[in-house]
Amino acid sequence: DIQMTQSPSSLSASVGDRVTITCRASQSISRYLNWYQQKPGKAPKFLIYAASSLQSGVPSRFSVSGSGTDFTLTISSLQPEDFATYYCQQTYNIPWTFGHGTRVEI
Amino acid sequence: QLQLQESGPGLVKPSETLSLRCTVSGGSIRPNNYYWGWIRQPPGRGLEWIGFLSNTGNSQYNSSLMGRASITLDTSQNHFSLKLSSVTAADTAVYYCAKAEWSVTDRYFDSWGQGILVTVSS
Repeated sequence: DIQMTQSPSSLSASVGDRVTITCRASQSISRYLNWYQQKPGKAPKFLIYAASSLQSGVPSRFSVSGSGTDFTLTISSLQPEDFATYYCQQTYNIPWTFGHGTRVEI
Repeated sequence: QLQLQESGPGLVKPSETLSLRCTVSGGSIRPNNYYWGWIRQPPGRGLEWIGFLSNTGNSQYNSSLMGRASITLDTSQNHFSLKLSSVTAADTAVYYCAKAEWSVTDRYFDSWGQGILVTVSS
């Protein structure tokens, strides 16, 4: 199975900060990398697919980059509604696997 | 807009079979390019993909479940189901149903149910 490693596991930030989360795959996954946002007690929300394509309605302050094994999610100016846990997911191989999550908190 | 809703017992005894249903509204489960799947999340932990199934019968499961998982579709009722046999306390989790896209270019879960907590305990 492909292992997905996210860092940091948690971070503290303030509204307006620039935040970067990294995701590393244990082998090349081309661009089959998705990002999800999860708030406490809620289902994950689909944000980004194919490493760089924003789902409809996702604010442009979210950006992503990377291919192969190393990927980053950047929030350019953190907003109150962005405080959540973010998961990366590879869909290059079965089983689809998720990172352990990065909690973004105040 | 597609909506998914999980239902089923919140408590299952060890060694028994967990059975959950996901009712889909706002769209049909018939399209051949859609896959219907399940993901779970143990309390306080991360996400684990269980598997998915298409209307054409193409299915994939996480081998970590050792063949215990089975997903079926009921196109006449527009719902799909998960059965997980021989459960233990390690299967205690919030279970989410979701719609997946799975093609050469698009592979992701883009619609999710709200989740249902299933506890395995005697």
